[in-house]
Amino acid sequence: EVQLVESGGGLVQPGGSLRLSCAASGFTFSTSWMTWVRQAPGRGLEWVANIKPDGNERYYVDSVRGRFTISRDNAKNSLYLQVNGLRAEDAAIYYCVRGGYYLDQWGQGTLVTVSS
Amino acid sequence: DIQMTQSPSSLSASVGDRVTITCRASQGISNNLAWFQQKPGKAPKSLIYDASSLHSGVPSKFSGTGSGTDFSLTINSLQPEDFATYYCQQYNSYPRTFGQGTKVEV
Repeated sequence: EVQLVESGGGLVQPGGSLRLSCAASGFTFSTSWMTWVRQAPGRGLEWVANIKPDGNERYYVDSVRGRFTISRDNAKNSLYLQVNGLRAEDAAIYYCVRGGYYLDQWGQGTLVTVSS
Repeated sequence: DIQMTQSPSSLSASVGDRVTITCRASQGISNNLAWFQQKPGKAPKSLIYDASSLHSGVPSKFSGTGSGTDFSLTINSLQPEDFATYYCQQYNSYPRTFGQGTKVEV
């Protein structure tokens, strides 16, 4: 069974940083594109970033480029999202999702709250 | 960026109804379109990819059609568990973009 378990969310002040993690199991992580999608409270879904299986290609939505970094450790079956320079508009549930073209399996999400 | 526009934004339906949601892309995306279902407080669930292919385990009451700029999701014989918000998403180019969602309610 595919499992994606996010962690690392929390309350952070504007301008602060967090490292979100996603532990993957039940599939061959090292050959899978992976994606982060977020959802602000009461809002729709927003694609954030994705990363190629070998980590050599990464793509970002413009609003986070230069502040967020997606990465992975295939030896640990883990996906990461380093989020820096957090703004109020970054507050959201962040979902780890398998896939780079179409998405298929979703984690349960981790909540990032930005407030002073 | 490619804009995805869903209609309607919400709809009222009854158990047993057939409902159709449309999704329009601001430029052609071939068949690189997916549909997702999300229930309150839950993570989204993937329903359809490549515009018309069902993910494993998704019941055949869900169907998708379309290519280019115009797409639709049809749900046959609506059941209580189908009341949810549905999103389309294009993966033809970066950044990937979602529609704003369609809430299917009683």
